[in-house]
Amino acid sequence: KQEVTQIPAALSVPEGENLVLNCSFTDSAIYNLQWFRQDPGKGLTSLLLIQSSQREQTSGRLNASLDKSSGRSTLYIAASQPGDSATYLCAALSGTYKYIFGTGTRLKVLA
Amino acid sequence: SAVISQKPSRDICQRGTSLTIQCQVDSQVTMMFWYRQQPGQSLTLIATANQGSEATYESGFVIDKFPISRPNLTFSTLTVSNLSPEDSSIYLCSVEKMRELEKLFFGSGTQLSVL
Repeated sequence: KQEVTQIPAALSVPEGENLVLNCSFTDSAIYNLQWFRQDPGKGLTSLLLIQSSQREQTSGRLNASLDKSSGRSTLYIAASQPGDSATYLCAALSGTYKYIFGTGTRLKVLA
Repeated sequence: SAVISQKPSRDICQRGTSLTIQCQVDSQVTMMFWYRQQPGQSLTLIATANQGSEATYESGFVIDKFPISRPNLTFSTLTVSNLSPEDSSIYLCSVEKMRELEKLFFGSGTQLSVL
């Protein structure tokens, strides 16, 4: 059974800092991994999707990497801004063709 | 990206009543899903809404408690029945588009509080 874990659960950084969010999954047989952003009380916004055959994807200040063999994905945020404050969730699409979501990392960027 | 309209955005309901949540998408989609996010928790899949037939429920979720309809490719409803305080959660509609398979798009969510 696929399990997805995100560390740390919460993170507070000063504005301008580069940071890395971690996502681990127990079953390496995934179709893809997707990163989302969720603002308080709101739905999810898709940030990046990495197919199982890819190593990384980039969008603006965001870069997501995928290492299936080690069961890990990272989301790198460059030059963080207060507007980046949100909860970041990763989700793995596994063999049952269902997305399994991580527990999220709550990010706060201080001005 | 798909435009997903989810209504209501929030509601406060009395114990024992029901709430129906609507999800309308601006284009045809292949898959529609309903998720629950309990306070401080991650997302749990309730069911896959199937067009013109009964939804496919995940373990721990039953049709009597969470009846779902999907009359066409762009619309679905989720009803949460016989409400109890334990049903207080955010309920999220999610879709997979025909031209962007495997990528999930989400509605803005419905925040339900049960008194």
